[in-house]
Amino acid sequence: GAVVSQHPSWVICKSGTSVKIECRSLDFQATTMFWYRQFPKQSLMLMATSNEGSKATYEQGVEKDKFLINHASLTLSTLTVTSAHPEDSSFYICSASRGPGIPFGNGTRLTVT
Amino acid sequence: GQQLNQSPQSMFIQEGEDVSMNCTSSSIFNTWLWYKQDPGEGPVLLIALYKAGELTSNGRLTAQFGITRKDSFLNISASIPSDVGIYFCAGHTTGTASKLTFGTGTRLQVTL
Repeated sequence: GAVVSQHPSWVICKSGTSVKIECRSLDFQATTMFWYRQFPKQSLMLMATSNEGSKATYEQGVEKDKFLINHASLTLSTLTVTSAHPEDSSFYICSASRGPGIPFGNGTRLTVT
Repeated sequence: GQQLNQSPQSMFIQEGEDVSMNCTSSSIFNTWLWYKQDPGEGPVLLIALYKAGELTSNGRLTAQFGITRKDSFLNISASIPSDVGIYFCAGHTTGTASKLTFGTGTRLQVTL
């Protein structure tokens, strides 16, 4: 149990376009989901906390107008990278709050050309 | 954002050897978690520790929650090739600002 699915697993987009990443909790409901970014050979850095039915909470230094988060249901949160640039290329990972343990998705590799 | 200090940063060991890594923080956490991440995938939970002093095992893995609640260690006994990967500690803050803070990671490589 406690499976988190992320889609797509990888995406390539052109600079200036927007990309949407989905995070779903498959067998449980999650009022809170988390979005992380991981650059090569680095740790996971929390970008924002997604709350169902309310606005996301962004970590310091993360542009909320660039990284749009929508958590419209108890099983789905989306992250949209707007006007993507090459420096946004990274590995984006979501997780869902379900008590201790906090399962993670398998990540989305975003490459902006 | 805040990160936990994890050491060693990387290690090469021979199959069959035991491995030890630790994680320290300037902040107190309610829960300590240890994850393993394989290339191109999300982290997978190995062990969760819920109270200070707790020692928990999961197969060949043993982890402890430090008494001060500011540190934790992970031991892997009799390492095997599939233990290769990056190991992250994470401190969990509960309450209204519930979130995980990750360590800097330990890259483990096992040679035959």
